[in-house]
Amino acid sequence: DGGITQSPKYLFRKEGQNVTLSCEQNLNHDAMYWYRQDPGQGLRLIYYSQIVNDFQKGDIAEGYSVSREKKESFPLTVTSAQKNPTAFYLCASSNAGGWAGELFFGEGSRLTVL
Amino acid sequence: AQSVAQPEDQVNVAEGNPLTVKCTYSVSGNPYLFWYVQYPNRGLQFLLKYITGDNLVKGSYGFEAEFNKSQTSFHLKKPSALVSDSALYFCAVRVGVRNDMRFGAGTRLTVKP
Repeated sequence: DGGITQSPKYLFRKEGQNVTLSCEQNLNHDAMYWYRQDPGQGLRLIYYSQIVNDFQKGDIAEGYSVSREKKESFPLTVTSAQKNPTAFYLCASSNAGGWAGELFFGEGSRLTVL
Repeated sequence: AQSVAQPEDQVNVAEGNPLTVKCTYSVSGNPYLFWYVQYPNRGLQFLLKYITGDNLVKGSYGFEAEFNKSQTSFHLKKPSALVSDSALYFCAVRVGVRNDMRFGAGTRLTVKP
C-alpha cells in the first residue's frame, strides 16, 4: 500500500547527541514536510522540500537539518543545537504545486531527551 | 498573514448528539481549508477540504463542514456523534508561496457514552 513510513516510532537521546529521523514515501509526491507537535501548540513547520535536492526552512528550523537526495526520502536530523528537542515529529507529503491537495502524514516519531 | 484559529480547546458531547468543532480563518484571496483528525500517538488523517464550489463539504466517517465566507468560518460537523469520534481535530489552511499547511492549535473532542 502507498504511504509514508517514519522510523523509529520512539527514540531516546542523551543531551549533546545528534539523532536522525527517517521518512520514506512511495506516493510519488514531489513535496515533503517535517512538522513538530507540542501539546497545545498544534503543528509547526520545521523544513519543507518541493523537489529533489532543494529544501527550505520553515518557522522553527534552528537546531535541525535535512537532506533530499531522493524523491522518496526526507530525513530529519535533530542536532545538539536544538535546545528543547523533546517532541512528536511528523513527516508529510503532497503533490507539489497542488494547492488543492491535502497532506499525507506518517505515524510520527516521538523523541525524548534524557 | 494566512492563519486559522480554533477557539475551543475542548468540546464535550454525548453519544448520538450532533457535534460541532469550530474554525475561523484569516486569508487573503481564496481560502483552501482542510480538516484533519489525530488519534493518540498517531499521525494526522485527512477528513475533508474546501477548495471551491458548494459551501457544504462532505468528508470521511460522516463528517461535513460548512464554509461561510461572510463569517470567515469553516466549522466541522457531524449529525450524530460516536464514542470513537473522540480525538484531536485540526483545522488548516494552505499558505503563500511555500505551499505548506498552517494548522490551528487543535480541539480535543470527547464523546461520552
